[in-house]
Amino acid sequence: AQSVTQLDSQVPVFEEAPVELRCNYSSSVSVYLFWYVQYPNQGLQLLLKYLSGSTLVKGINGFEAEFNKSQTSFHLRKPSVHISDTAEYFCAVTRNGGFKTIFGAGTRLFVKA
Amino acid sequence: DAEITQSPRHKITETGRQVTLACHQTWNHNNMFWYRQDLGHGLRLIHYSYGVQDTNKGEVSDGYSVSRSNTEDLPLTLESAASSQTSVYFCASSESGQGWDEQFFGPGTRLTVL
Repeated sequence: AQSVTQLDSQVPVFEEAPVELRCNYSSSVSVYLFWYVQYPNQGLQLLLKYLSGSTLVKGINGFEAEFNKSQTSFHLRKPSVHISDTAEYFCAVTRNGGFKTIFGAGTRLFVKA
Repeated sequence: DAEITQSPRHKITETGRQVTLACHQTWNHNNMFWYRQDLGHGLRLIHYSYGVQDTNKGEVSDGYSVSRSNTEDLPLTLESAASSQTSVYFCASSESGQGWDEQFFGPGTRLTVL
């Protein structure tokens, strides 16, 4: 069975600073990986996903993530955050050939002025 | 624009009452999902459906039921609400239902069971 661990429950950061949100997964088979963002009082929306190919994936709003198979990680990064990036971020995994998506517990990103 | 709507957005009910949360999507997706979101747990799958008349249990289905009579709607019913079911509920849909496919989420329903 797959599982997802988001290593930080909250990440405070100053505006224009870089940020990394960490995600590790466990699976005995290959997986598809996702990052979703949830703005206050809204549903989740897709930031980016890794299916295959290049391990560096670029998403919306300047975010990117790198798939590291040997470390079973899929960390999310942004070189310079804005106040508007304040939200909760969820890492998710689906087994290759499967259909159920497993979500991590979420990381709350606070961007301070 | 296509969207998913949920109603009500907020609901307060009493223990033992039956509650139905509505989910309506205009994406024309066959695949629909219900999740609950709790602090420290992320999203957990309650029920899912791959088409009309199809329903399946997720990892936390006890005390919940769904029915799918058309493509657009997947209502979630709490047969006898319990305080442990206080949560935020999200409905989602996807085009293919395959693991690599993006899910589109509604805005959520915050349910409080007193």
